[in-house]
Amino acid sequence: KQEVTQIPAALSVPEGENLVLNCSFTDSAIYNLQWFRQDPGKGLTSLLLIQSSQREQTSGRLNASLDKSSGRSTLYIAASQPGDSATYLCAVSRETSGSRLTFGEGTQLTVNP
Amino acid sequence: KAGVTQTPRYLIKTRGQQVTLSCSPISGHRSVSWYQQTPGQGLQFLFEYFSETQRNKGNFPGRFSGRQFSNSRSEMNVSTLELGDSALYLCASMRGGSTDTQYFGPGTRLTVL
Repeated sequence: KQEVTQIPAALSVPEGENLVLNCSFTDSAIYNLQWFRQDPGKGLTSLLLIQSSQREQTSGRLNASLDKSSGRSTLYIAASQPGDSATYLCAVSRETSGSRLTFGEGTQLTVNP
Repeated sequence: KAGVTQTPRYLIKTRGQQVTLSCSPISGHRSVSWYQQTPGQGLQFLFEYFSETQRNKGNFPGRFSGRQFSNSRSEMNVSTLELGDSALYLCASMRGGSTDTQYFGPGTRLTVL
């Protein structure tokens, strides 16, 4: 059974700081890994999708890396802003279950002005 | 381009009742997945429909069912509601392939009293 773990569970940083969120998964047979953000009481916003054959993806101040063999991914946020405050979730889809996503518990990020 | 829409946004029911939730995917998307989000269990996969057929199913009891129409809109039904069914129900749409990005709707907040 695929298990996804995110560390830390919560993080509070001052504005402008660079930060790294971690995600690990137990089964390396994945199709892809996706990072989302969720604002309180809202749906999920897709940030980055990394295919299993890729090593990293970048979008603006966000960079996600994937090490499939070791079952790890990191989301790097550069020059954090108060608007980045949200819960960040990583999710993996497995080769044998197609589009079904298994989520981690998330990292709650607070960026203080 | 309109995003994923879900109706209703909020719902209050009592134990034993049944409920139907609706999801309209992004135009051109043929896959709709449903997830349940609770504070204790996090995000859990319910099922996925693709071209009116259930393509994937999670580990939920038979009280949870769904269907998809020819226009890709999907409904989820929960019968004989229990207190533990109180949750945010999210649907996600995807173009079709297992390696595509999934786009989530804002969710339906169900409260069971």
